[in-house]
Amino acid sequence: QQQVKQSPQSLIVQKGGISIINCAYENTAFDYFPWYQQFPGKGPALLIAIRPDVSEKKEGRFTISFNKSAKQFSLHIMDSQPGDSATYFCAASRNQGGKLIFGQGTELSVKP
Amino acid sequence: GAVVSQHPSWVICKSGTSVKIECRSLDFQATTMFWYRQFPKQSLMLMATSNEGSKATYEQGVEKDKFLINHASLTLSTLTVTSAHPEDSSFYICRISVNTEAFFGQGTRLTVV
Repeated sequence: QQQVKQSPQSLIVQKGGISIINCAYENTAFDYFPWYQQFPGKGPALLIAIRPDVSEKKEGRFTISFNKSAKQFSLHIMDSQPGDSATYFCAASRNQGGKLIFGQGTELSVKP
Repeated sequence: GAVVSQHPSWVICKSGTSVKIECRSLDFQATTMFWYRQFPKQSLMLMATSNEGSKATYEQGVEKDKFLINHASLTLSTLTVTSAHPEDSSFYICRISVNTEAFFGQGTRLTVV
């Protein structure tokens, strides 16, 4: 019940395309769902986060879509750029400062 | 600027020795600190949760006598990998919790030879 399942494991997108990464969770007590971006050798950096009281949140080229009834959420990267090439992790926790459970990660490669 | 300072950023040690990793909260008093481990091409796995002045809570399967966590103050937590072996080689990352927000350190790459 603590798992967060993420797919796909890897993703290749052309420059300018849309990158979509999906996550599913089981624990309905989770109420904070962040996405992290990680470059090799670096710690994860918070990209965008959502709470279950909204179905969508957009920040620049990044959008989270949230489906509470399906217990799924996804990250959309619009107009993907080579600089977006990184590993992306979804996560979930009971509160923003609490214990985070991470998905398995998606390695995104944006081709020029 | 950085909120969390993790040191060292990388360390190489001989098998059987101990290594200490520091995680400092620069601007805030961190009530809770989390330690994660990440093997290459894998996700971040929570090792333990520490609260200032009390014993750390370890996740299932994490040896508390091998991974010693000391959260002595509201701005400093340390993780000591005791009697390190090559299989302990990994990326160790701390995360601090400040009220309702949380911040990751930059990570420490440990290589045991």
